[in-house]
Amino acid sequence: GDSVTQMEGPVTLSEEAFLTINCTYTATGYPSLFWYVQYPGEGLQLLLKATKADDKGSNKGFEATYRKETTSFHLEKGSVQVSDSAVYFCALSDRVGKLIFGQGTELSVKP
Amino acid sequence: DVKVTQSSRYLVKRTGEKVFLECVQDMDHENMFWYRQDPGLGLRLIYFSYDVKMKEKGDIPEGYSVSREKKERFSLILESASTNQTSMYLCASRLQGAKTEAFFGQGTRLTVV
Repeated sequence: GDSVTQMEGPVTLSEEAFLTINCTYTATGYPSLFWYVQYPGEGLQLLLKATKADDKGSNKGFEATYRKETTSFHLEKGSVQVSDSAVYFCALSDRVGKLIFGQGTELSVKP
Repeated sequence: DVKVTQSSRYLVKRTGEKVFLECVQDMDHENMFWYRQDPGLGLRLIYFSYDVKMKEKGDIPEGYSVSREKKERFSLILESASTNQTSMYLCASRLQGAKTEAFFGQGTRLTVV
C-alpha cells in the first residue's frame, strides 16, 4: 500500500541554521503531498502542500518541491527560529482521499 | 473557522470496557478520519469515512470499529479496550478530494488500565 517515510528525529539546530527534513513516499498514481506541523500542546495544522509534480509549496519561510522522479517532498527553511520548534509530519493523499502520514520529525531550535 | 471537536481531552477506562470516542465537525465535510498517534510511529490511520454510512479500513483497524450515521459525526468504538490501545486519538475532516486540507481536533488521550 501507499506509505510515507521521514527522516528520524529529533533534529536539534541553532537559531538561523538551515533546515532540511527528508520525506519520501511510495504510491500508485500521482498523490497530493502535504506537510503538517504540530506545535507543543496544539493540534496538527497544514503547513504547505503540492498537488502535482514539480509544484512547490511554501508558507512561513518553509518550502517543499514535489519530485516525482525521486518520489520525494523534502521540507526546507533557510533560517529557523526558536518558534519553529515543533513536530513536522509529511503526508500523502491518494486518489480516493485517504490521508497517510509519516512518522513525524521533532525539531528543536536553540537560541 | 472550521471546527473539529472531540468529545473528551482525557479518558481513563478499564480493560474490557466498551469505549466510544466522538468527533463532530461543523463544515459539512464529506471525509472524516480517525488516527492514533504514538511516539516514533507517527499518525496511523485506523478508519476513514468518505460519506455517511461509508467507511474504509486504514492500516490498523483491528480492535476498532466506527459509525457514521450523520455527516457531521464520526465515532470510534473500542469494542473491548485493552492496554495496548492506550494512545492519543486524533480525528480529522476535510472536503472530498485528494488536494484538500484536513482539519484536526485537539485529540483524546486515552489510558486503558
